[in-house]
Amino acid sequence: NAGVTQTPKFRILKIGQSMTLQCAQDMNHNYMYWYRQDPGMGLKLIYYSVGAGITDKGEVPNGYNVSRSTTEDFPLRLELAAPSQTSVYFCASSWTSGNTGELFFGEGSRLTVL
Amino acid sequence: GESVGLHLPTLSVQEGDNSIINCAYSNSASDYFIWYKQESGKGPQFIIDIRSNMDKRQGQRVTVLLNKTVKHLSLQIAATQPGDSAVYFCADRSGGSYIPTFGRGTSLIVHP
Repeated sequence: NAGVTQTPKFRILKIGQSMTLQCAQDMNHNYMYWYRQDPGMGLKLIYYSVGAGITDKGEVPNGYNVSRSTTEDFPLRLELAAPSQTSVYFCASSWTSGNTGELFFGEGSRLTVL
Repeated sequence: GESVGLHLPTLSVQEGDNSIINCAYSNSASDYFIWYKQESGKGPQFIIDIRSNMDKRQGQRVTVLLNKTVKHLSLQIAATQPGDSAVYFCADRSGGSYIPTFGRGTSLIVHP
């Protein structure tokens, strides 16, 4: 199993550009999440999904959009990039049955907006 | 806002010493707690978890202690090794939600 795969690993955007961060998991997890991590800070939840076709806002959703058309994929869209969106973005997934609530994270996507 | 925070941003220890990383939480409804380890340039990885009906849980070289009276959680790492150098996050969940809330993290530096 590859686990959670994020692409791209690095990206530089100009202000006002748009892009999509891709996330895929092959563990058949129902829950998927997008977090952002700023330097020296914890993880802030942007959006999450409890299953295909269902998405919900997290703590910091402004400036982002998501979709969940399949169980495997959960892309994050930035429509008009702003310097405040410079961050490291982590996608994660989890299974909501069983004994643990462990989240499985991808390696991260480092985004710089200039 | 954050319901989970950590007492110290950085902890320096000597190789072979035991490390204790602390976490305070404010939500009385929190019923599940997880510790994650994040190595430089990587995503967080699960270390150990504990439910609120327990006060101690042990793993391989790690022990998590939960004190619900003072809303305090700690991660103890025995015989700390250079490979333990990383940022450690605690996270909590509450009320049947599957969405964890993360604290800021403590950077553990292990000196050889």
